Amino acid sequence: AQTVTQSQPEMSVQEAETVTLSCTYDTSESNYYLFWYKQPPSRQMILVIRQEAYKQQNATENRFSVNFQKAAKSFSLKISDSQLGDTAMYFCAFIYTSGTYKYIFGTGTRLKVLA
Amino acid sequence: NAGVTQTPKFRILKIGQSMTLQCTQDMNHNYMYWYRQDPGMGLKLIYYSVGAGITDKGEVPNGYNVSRSTTEDFPLRLELAAPSQTSVYFCASSTSPDRENTIYFGEGSWLTVV
Repeated sequence: AQTVTQSQPEMSVQEAETVTLSCTYDTSESNYYLFWYKQPPSRQMILVIRQEAYKQQNATENRFSVNFQKAAKSFSLKISDSQLGDTAMYFCAFIYTSGTYKYIFGTGTRLKVLA
Repeated sequence: NAGVTQTPKFRILKIGQSMTLQCTQDMNHNYMYWYRQDPGMGLKLIYYSVGAGITDKGEVPNGYNVSRSTTEDFPLRLELAAPSQTSVYFCASSTSPDRENTIYFGEGSWLTVV
């Protein structure tokens, strides 16, 4: 069975500092996609970053970057220069390109950025 | 560019009542999903659809029904509402997994059963 694990239920970081959120997954598939979604208090789900498993280069989007370690099945999110608006729940998600087309989400990490 | 639209945004139901959450997307996506999110928890898949006329159960389908008569619409029906169905419901859609692959969410529907 495919699973996604986020082992940090809550984290906090000082404004302007860097924080890393961890995510591990379990799959026997070789072709898949990984995502980080942000859910602010409004509850809207916002795509932060996406990584294709066949690409070795780590994805980056402005202050957000990932450390994708395929062999270790690890997909951590680094947020640089943290801002108060980054306060949110962050979900790691996974989908593989064959089979049942179901996105699998982790249980989330609640991040609080402190002023 | 509307994306995924859900209605209603808020609803209070009495135990035993029924209702339908509407979901429509204008991106011509084949894949559509319904998730529920209980307070402080992650997303649980209720039902999904890979195209018009095709639906399948997710992790927590009991107490719900869906239909997919068109590509655009994927309504979720709650029959005989129970307090355990108090949750936030998200509809989502995506292209096929070998294409863009990003899943797009609606803004959520807050449902309280009293």
